[in-house]
Amino acid sequence: GENVEQHPSTLSVQEGDSAVIKCTYSDSASNYFPWYKQELGKGPQLIIDIRSNVGEKKDQRIAVTLNKTAKHFSLHITETQPEDSAVYFCAASRAGGGSQGNLIFGKGTKLSVKP
Amino acid sequence: DGGITQSPKYLFRKEGQNVTLSCEQNLNHDAMYWYRQDPGQGLRLIYYSQIVNDFQKGDIAEGYSVSREKKESFPLTVTSAQKNPTAFYLCASGGRNQPQHFGDGTRLSIL
Repeated sequence: GENVEQHPSTLSVQEGDSAVIKCTYSDSASNYFPWYKQELGKGPQLIIDIRSNVGEKKDQRIAVTLNKTAKHFSLHITETQPEDSAVYFCAASRAGGGSQGNLIFGKGTKLSVKP
Repeated sequence: DGGITQSPKYLFRKEGQNVTLSCEQNLNHDAMYWYRQDPGQGLRLIYYSQIVNDFQKGDIAEGYSVSREKKESFPLTVTSAQKNPTAFYLCASGGRNQPQHFGDGTRLSIL
C-alpha cells in the first residue's frame, strides 16, 4: 500500500522568510496530493492540492510542486507571517475501488514563524 | 453554512463505558471518515463509509464501531474494548480520490 513520508517534523523560520515542507510517496499510481493546515484544537483545513497532470500550482503565497519521477511533492510558503504557524499535513491518494481512493497522510510538520 | 459538525467538543469516558461521538455533514458528500490523532502523530483511519448502509474498517478499527443509516450522519462509538481511547477524533467527508473536509474534532479523555 501507499506510504507517505514528510519532513521536517518541525520547522522554525523568521517572519518574511520562505518555508518548504517535503513529502515522498511510494505508490507510483497515486495521482492526487492535498495539503492541510491544522491550527491548535481545530480540524485540518485544505489549503492547496495538486493532481498528477500538472507540475506546479500556486495560490497567492502558497505553492505546491510535484515531481512524479522522483515521487515527491513539496509545499512552499513565501513571505511567511505569524498566522502561518500551524501543523501542516501532506497526503496522497489514487483512483480505484475499495480503500484505494482513501487519503494517506504524512505525520505532519509543525511550522513556527517568529516575529 | 455548509460543513461538518462534530459534537461534543470534549468528552470523558469512565472505565467500562461506551461513548458515542457525533458527526453530521450538510455537504451532500457520499463518503465519510473517522480518524484518530495522537500527539505528534499523523491521522490514522479508523472507519470509512462510501455509501449509506455500508462501511469498512480502516487501519485501527479494533475497539470502535460505526453506523451509516443516513447520508448526513456517521457516528463513532468508542467501546470499552478500546483500552487506550484518549485522543483527538476527527471526522471528514468527501469523495474517493477527492478533497476531504474535516470537522473541528472531539477530544476524548479518560476519567
